[in-house]
Order: sequence, then C-alpha cells, then structure tokens
Amino acid sequence: EADIYQTPRYLVIGTGKKITLECSQTMGHDKMYWYQQDPGMELHLIHYSYGVNSTEKGDLSSESTVSRIRTEHFPLTLESARPSHTSQYLCASSAPGRMGDTYNEQFFGPGTRLTVL
Amino acid sequence: KNQVEQSPQSLIILEGKNCTLQCNYTVSPFSNLRWYKQDTGRGPVSLTIMTFSENTKSNGRYTATLDADTKQSSLHITASQLSDSASYICVVSDRGSTLGRLYFGRGTQLTVWP
Repeated sequence: EADIYQTPRYLVIGTGKKITLECSQTMGHDKMYWYQQDPGMELHLIHYSYGVNSTEKGDLSSESTVSRIRTEHFPLTLESARPSHTSQYLCASSAPGRMGDTYNEQFFGPGTRLTVL
Repeated sequence: KNQVEQSPQSLIILEGKNCTLQCNYTVSPFSNLRWYKQDTGRGPVSLTIMTFSENTKSNGRYTATLDADTKQSSLHITASQLSDSASYICVVSDRGSTLGRLYFGRGTQLTVWP
C-alpha cells in the first residue's frame, strides 16, 4: 500500500466556492502529479511538479492551480468551483529517476470525488 | 486519438473463469508498459511492469504479455475471484522524458459474478 493520502475523499460544494484538495506523501518522492478522471475515461494529467517550488501544467487545461512548498505536500486549489469541475481528482508521486528511467512508477492516492452543484 | 486503446470496454465473467484483456498502443519511443487495477472510488494500483525486452510477467493470478513489435499487450486473469471486479488500466510510458510521461487507456471494466 503506497503512503500517499488525499483529503477529502468526497466533496459536494456549491458553485462559486473556493476549494483546496489536499495531497500528501510520506515516501520522500520528488515528483508529484494531479490527474483528472471522468467515469469510463482515461486519466488526464493536469499538473505536475519536479520538486519544491516547481509546478507545471499538464496535458489537459485546468482552471485549478497547485503549489509545492514542501516535498511531501502538493495541494490543488479551485478559486471558484463550477459544475464543469465535477470529476475525480487523483494525486500521484514517483521516486527520482534518471532520464529514460524505465521504472518511473507512479503511486496513486485514493482520489477525491468532487461534485459541484 | 488516444495512444493507448483497450478492449473490451467491459466484461462480465463467472467466478472461477479465466479472462484476457487487450491493450494496443502507439506510444513511441516506448519505455515500459504497466497494468493497473483500479477499484471503484480508489486510485490505481500497479499489477505488473514490463520493458520492451520482457515478453511476459506474472503477479499471482495475473499474467501480462507484451509484443513490442506489434505494440500489443494482454492481461490474463486466472481463476477469477469476486475481488477481481475492477477497472484494469493499461498505461504506457515513453522514453527520454525526465517526467516519465504516462499514457493511459480508458480501462476494461471487469465484473465477476458468483
């Protein structure tokens, strides 16, 4: 079982509210990721981080923002939630690897199911 | 077009039966291929990882195969159990990226009936 945690597990909130999804890992991993997953669809990378003070946008455009002030913590924030943000959000982390490392395995948290009314 | 395609989209089998899930990919340059199991409402958990030089990898009742020439992989589940009901996701990683970018299939939703 990977030591990566997400809170809350479920969140139902009204339109316009500001929310922060928490993600923490105790494995000392440098790289962390946020994915968005809709039912029956593939995971889409929305944010990633190589380490402290590093954040990048992923393949899927997202109105959310992230921060990486501490190695173990990678929160995701939505300033003003909308129904279109309803989805499952998965956080992941991976150990440091050399370029082309074939075993850059990502460990996933349990996810946060967000519903915006 | 998704670079990782899985089939079937969903599958129902009886407990104790075997099944095989398919994955075709176009990701290049290829680094490795993983099969993940994702229980409903949970994050994916890795079952197997294979590089281009590996043809088969087993993990208990799960056996994955890889044909890097045809860019196809399969996951065979033997003597299925009720706890095998989940989504099985094929994930391919490209080579030469410090990020280790992953390309995800949409998954095969497996339901095992008693």
